[in-house]
Amino acid sequence: EVQLVESGGGLIQPGRSLRLSCVASGFTFDNYDMHWVRQLPGRGLEWVSGINSNSRVKGYGDSVKGRFTISRDNAENSLYLQMNSLTTEDTALYYCTREAPRTGAFDLWGQGTLVTVSS
Amino acid sequence: DIQLTQSPSILSASVGDRVTITCRASQSLSGWLAWYQQKPGKAPKFLIYKASSLESGVPSRFSGRGSGTEFTLTISSLQPDDFATYYCQHYDSYSLTSGQHYNGFSLAFGQGTKVEFK
Repeated sequence: EVQLVESGGGLIQPGRSLRLSCVASGFTFDNYDMHWVRQLPGRGLEWVSGINSNSRVKGYGDSVKGRFTISRDNAENSLYLQMNSLTTEDTALYYCTREAPRTGAFDLWGQGTLVTVSS
Repeated sequence: DIQLTQSPSILSASVGDRVTITCRASQSLSGWLAWYQQKPGKAPKFLIYKASSLESGVPSRFSGRGSGTEFTLTISSLQPDDFATYYCQHYDSYSLTSGQHYNGFSLAFGQGTKVEFK
């Protein structure tokens, strides 16, 4: 089955760090660029970060630049998001997404992992 | 950075209605626009890419069009399963032709349009 499964979310205090993981299955992971997209409670979608298939190109949204780091391990079919200096504004459901080649769009989404930043 | 503004924010409609959602960009886009549908408690579903290309398996009552700074998503005859929130999305700094990223990644979503029962 083609799917993405996120993990690593939870309740964390402001200022602390958390690492999210996403395991891909059912497709050739290293053929695809991958992204993290988040959704704040009751709000819309916000792109967080993206990485190309060979990890040479990365990008970050303005609100996380300098605090979050995206990476991937193609041998493990895994995508990661290292989140440092977390604030309450980072509280959200974090989705791992697959970019459909030459479309600029996300054709596969995980179920999301919830990150709650609170003291 | 490119900003995307959707209108309306909430759209009240009935089954069988023709509905149109607009996504306006702060500057001209290169035809790079996608649309998603999201239902409560679910991940977004990919509907349309490159402004007007329907993703495989998406019903033909969905259509997209537009260029420059104005894009639309139309549902020709609203069905009960279509009541949801819709988002547009643009991917900046990416060449459709070469499939290459330039200047890193930059991407934006619209704020969403909720289609609800009238």
